Amino acid sequence: GQQLNQNPQSMFIQEGEDVSMNCTSSSIFNTWLWYKQDPGEGPVLLIALYKAGELTSNGRLTAQFGITRKDSFLNISASIPSDVGIYFCAGQGMNYGGSQGNLIFGKGTKLSVKP
Amino acid sequence: GAVVSQHPSRVICKSGTSVKIECRSLDFQATTMFWYRQFPKQSLMLMATSNEGSKATYEQGVEKDKFLINHASLTLSTLTVTSAHPEDSSFYICSARTSGGRADTQYFGPGTRLTVL
Repeated sequence: GQQLNQNPQSMFIQEGEDVSMNCTSSSIFNTWLWYKQDPGEGPVLLIALYKAGELTSNGRLTAQFGITRKDSFLNISASIPSDVGIYFCAGQGMNYGGSQGNLIFGKGTKLSVKP
Repeated sequence: GAVVSQHPSRVICKSGTSVKIECRSLDFQATTMFWYRQFPKQSLMLMATSNEGSKATYEQGVEKDKFLINHASLTLSTLTVTSAHPEDSSFYICSARTSGGRADTQYFGPGTRLTVL
């Protein structure tokens, strides 16, 4: 099925570092969402974006809905050990009939702690 | 946020048997429920969407006779993996949303780890 391009696939962080990841798509989305998934758990919503250009924060997390509606980024400032996990972007478009489309997930960015 | 539960959280079964996974919305009425499958180190792939009281809509490549979905009430959907085989081993995640709800009202369950021996 259709998927988003999410980068980077993985990254190592040291406590206190800022982290940045992004998603791009060839399709336009009406909604962008960012989730975090811990091992053996379901994804938990971090931030939802509904307007092109929208910049939204949730604590140390900031996400933006790209102006072209084909991309989004997520920044984490001053990372802490509990930020470790897998982060997924998801986009939602509109069906031809005008109803909400299904969520399309990126492949994820795995955040690990530097040894 | 709202709570979605799944049961069981983990199941091991023999090849050829059927396994039923339950998904419940605990504090809201879920007119739409989704079933996803996630293989190790991969993303969530939508299997099917179900609306309460009607037949599920399956994604391309997902066998409806193998993955039986029943959305009998506004708080319960079940996924039955029939005649399970080792390649069906995966992490199955459900999510639930109210009718017309925005994307941020689609809540995910904690997942069910299925291992078929």
